[in-house]
Amino acid sequence: AAGVIQSPRHLIKEKRETATLKCYPIPRHDTVYWYQQGPGQDPQFLISFYEKMQSDKGSIPDRFSAQQFSDYHSELNMSSLELGDSALYFCASSLAGQVSYEQYFGPGTRLTVT
Amino acid sequence: AQTVTQSQPEMSVQEAETVTLSCTYDTSESDYYLFWYKQPPSRQMILVIRQEAYKQQNATENRFSVNFQKAAKSFSLKISDSQLGDAAMYFCAYLSGTYKYIFGTGTRLKVLA
Repeated sequence: AAGVIQSPRHLIKEKRETATLKCYPIPRHDTVYWYQQGPGQDPQFLISFYEKMQSDKGSIPDRFSAQQFSDYHSELNMSSLELGDSALYFCASSLAGQVSYEQYFGPGTRLTVT
Repeated sequence: AQTVTQSQPEMSVQEAETVTLSCTYDTSESDYYLFWYKQPPSRQMILVIRQEAYKQQNATENRFSVNFQKAAKSFSLKISDSQLGDAAMYFCAYLSGTYKYIFGTGTRLKVLA
């Protein structure tokens, strides 16, 4: 079965640079979520989109923005990168209305800021 | 706001033995879902088991089962016949109408040969 695809899998950037992370949800899934997992920490919710509209927002810095496109893929744009942005970024997708609201996680993008 | 607490940062179990990981949560909602996720060294998030709050019956998936105590807001994971491949970080997660996961801080499980 098709899974959530994230690209790139690894990304190395310098401070103050920008980064774009991409997420391709499972086919027919209409909702995308972004989570940030710092070293030794649990995943923290950043933002979510349903049918191309932002549906919820968590602890996402103003330097970050995201959107969901007409084909339901999503991009997380990160500007003025800081050392503290180094983390594993997960994308997850779900189908609104499914019984368990279970989210399916991608493999993550490991961002290293030097 | 909902919170999830895992009070055991690390647990060890002998191969073939049974281990229980604890999770408590706090919520004022009546309808929600609880999950256990496994995160091996690859850091992929793998669903282990899910529990619907409206179901009194505890969920079971092969060697994995939960003890769901709704009144006590407790959701523990029991792993029977532990295997070396079970070694990983385990996260308890809460999901409700806001549709975002709230994770506990995780429990690192070590399996001893």
